[in-house]
Amino acid sequence: DQQVKQNSPSLSVQEGRISILNCDYTNSMFDYFLWYKKYPAEGPTFLISISSIKDKNEDGRFTVFLNKSAKHLSLHIVPSQPGDSAVYFCAAKGTDSWGKLQFGAGTQVVVTP
Amino acid sequence: NAGVMQNPRHLVRRRGQEARLRCSPMKGHSHVYWYRQLPEEGLKFMVYLQKENIIDESGMPKERFSAEFPKEGPSILRIQQVVRGDSAAYFCASSRQGEENQPQHFGDGTRLSIL
Repeated sequence: DQQVKQNSPSLSVQEGRISILNCDYTNSMFDYFLWYKKYPAEGPTFLISISSIKDKNEDGRFTVFLNKSAKHLSLHIVPSQPGDSAVYFCAAKGTDSWGKLQFGAGTQVVVTP
Repeated sequence: NAGVMQNPRHLVRRRGQEARLRCSPMKGHSHVYWYRQLPEEGLKFMVYLQKENIIDESGMPKERFSAEFPKEGPSILRIQQVVRGDSAAYFCASSRQGEENQPQHFGDGTRLSIL
């Protein structure tokens, strides 16, 4: 069962504009959420995380928003840069699952000049 | 390089052979996780280990797969009698702590191809 869903397989955005990536989850036991960026032939790189006690976390160009009632989180990247072109994965950890992360299927972001 | 180190980067095996994948965690990290990524899919959790202990192996196939993290040396993911369906990218991650909210940091993976 897919408990973390990224419904947009791809996103194209112009350089300098905002990229918004979305993620939905179904498990109410999730209490920690992360975003990773992945280039081909490399491992996922940690970008930003948020605990369920917060609704927003910001780090430079990256901001993650969490809406617990909707079981939805989003990643905003502003301004988008060509180096941001990658696959972005949303991941979640539950209070009942030790350190296990559950990942979405990913969103391919392409930043165009 | 203080990051998570995985080797080999690429591994080719024939059906029926054994595959051994190695992972050295980041310095200061004592928790190791293995994930598998099939083509066009996200990462799927396999196993979570601390030194000399398996904490959660709920994602491990019941047969042919095993993992260890000995007191000395890297963590090993072992696949016996490999089949074509084992072809995937296997990623190792490490963190300072397990159940607390610490991000996991990933290695660059081992791409396993079964002929």
